[in-house]
Amino acid sequence: DTAVSQTPKYLVTQMGNDKSIKCEQNLGHDTMYWYKQDSKKFLKIMFSYNNKELIINETVPNRFSPKSPDKAHLNLHINSLELGDSAVYFCASSQDPHEKLFFGSGTQLSVL
Amino acid sequence: DAKTTQPNSMESNEEEPVHLPCNHSTISGTDYIHWYRQLPSQGPEYVIHGLTSNVNNRMASLAIAEDRKSSTLILHRATLRDAAVYYCILRPYSGAGSYQLTFGKGTKLSVIP
Repeated sequence: DTAVSQTPKYLVTQMGNDKSIKCEQNLGHDTMYWYKQDSKKFLKIMFSYNNKELIINETVPNRFSPKSPDKAHLNLHINSLELGDSAVYFCASSQDPHEKLFFGSGTQLSVL
Repeated sequence: DAKTTQPNSMESNEEEPVHLPCNHSTISGTDYIHWYRQLPSQGPEYVIHGLTSNVNNRMASLAIAEDRKSSTLILHRATLRDAAVYYCILRPYSGAGSYQLTFGKGTKLSVIP
């Protein structure tokens, strides 16, 4: 069983569309994250949730909205997609902020 | 944020040991030293972490300088599967900074058969 799973793996869409990326972890972890890896391969934190509460919200446009229906899920909804949103998005989880992170395999988003 | 400095790239022959250096001269007393790696087309993977003492696990060893201003990740026998980008990251034990990993550019390790 995959510990942290993201869907879809690939997402190709047009500018202006709204899309969602789903993330689920079956590790029983309390903390979940979204990271973005751009074309230059830099990985940056976007959001961090602990027990469904938003802890970190980095400088991310309001078009990005994380939603945590329960501790095992942290979905990422993106409104009005732009060309610059093209990147690989990684979901991750950890038991608590001091423990190691487990990452999903990523969602490659291409905005045309 | 405390920063780390790593070489952009390194090469190793298969089945030889690899020493990946990391400088973190501005490390604070509550910063843990974490290492993650990212294999091609995969998410980052935890390797090891430590605070002051050297650490060993099944994947690697972490040697931490006595003044904690540098550390070295040691892969005892490099395999082709170890070819990846290795990230050295400082992570505070507490506070908002503990909720995130701040990735730098990392070291791209190539393993030569």
